[in-house]
Amino acid sequence: GQNIDQPTEMTATEGAIVQINCTYQTSGFNGLFWYQQHAGEAPTFLSYNVLDGLEEKGRFSSFLSRSKGYSYLLLKELQMKDSASYLCAVMDSNYQLIWGAGTKLIIKP
Amino acid sequence: ETGVTQTPRHLVMGMTNKKSLKCEQHLGHNAMYWYKQSAKKPLELMFVYNFKEQTENNSVPSRFSPECPNSSHLFLHLHTLQPEDSALYLCASSQVHSGGADTQYFGPGTRLTVL
Repeated sequence: GQNIDQPTEMTATEGAIVQINCTYQTSGFNGLFWYQQHAGEAPTFLSYNVLDGLEEKGRFSSFLSRSKGYSYLLLKELQMKDSASYLCAVMDSNYQLIWGAGTKLIIKP
Repeated sequence: ETGVTQTPRHLVMGMTNKKSLKCEQHLGHNAMYWYKQSAKKPLELMFVYNFKEQTENNSVPSRFSPECPNSSHLFLHLHTLQPEDSALYLCASSQVHSGGADTQYFGPGTRLTVL
């Protein structure tokens, strides 16, 4: 079957760095996406990885290892507004997204 | 990002009611999606429309009926729902081409409560 695993909840301190991991087992792979979702709002696109390595975009970076079925989202210089859920999703061989349950990130002052 | 809009934002309905959710995308995309999001569970893909043709129906109960009159509009008609159908219903759109599919963009969702 297809499966995406990520931690349910994480807590970090304002100004610090946090890494949110995602492991996956899917039928085919056409890229991995990270989305941010604030409570009561739409998921918004953060990053896309299809090749191994690190993609950096400002304070956010995303890493992919296809051989390990593993990705992480790295958030630097955490701000209170980064408190949200972070969703990992893999595009399978049918170009449909398979989703993890999301990681709720709590930022403390 | 206001490229995908959904109405209503909140809906409370009884089990015998009939209601419809509406989604509109202003991004020029050719594919639209309905997802169900329940607390602490992964997003569940319900329906996919490519070029107005339904290409995916993930074993969704018949009390949910989608309609896609054109590539910019998507509806979800609801009737005789159950309390377990209470959830956030998200609409998304993307561009699909011969080489695959691009990033999906989401609307804000409709928070549905079935009494």
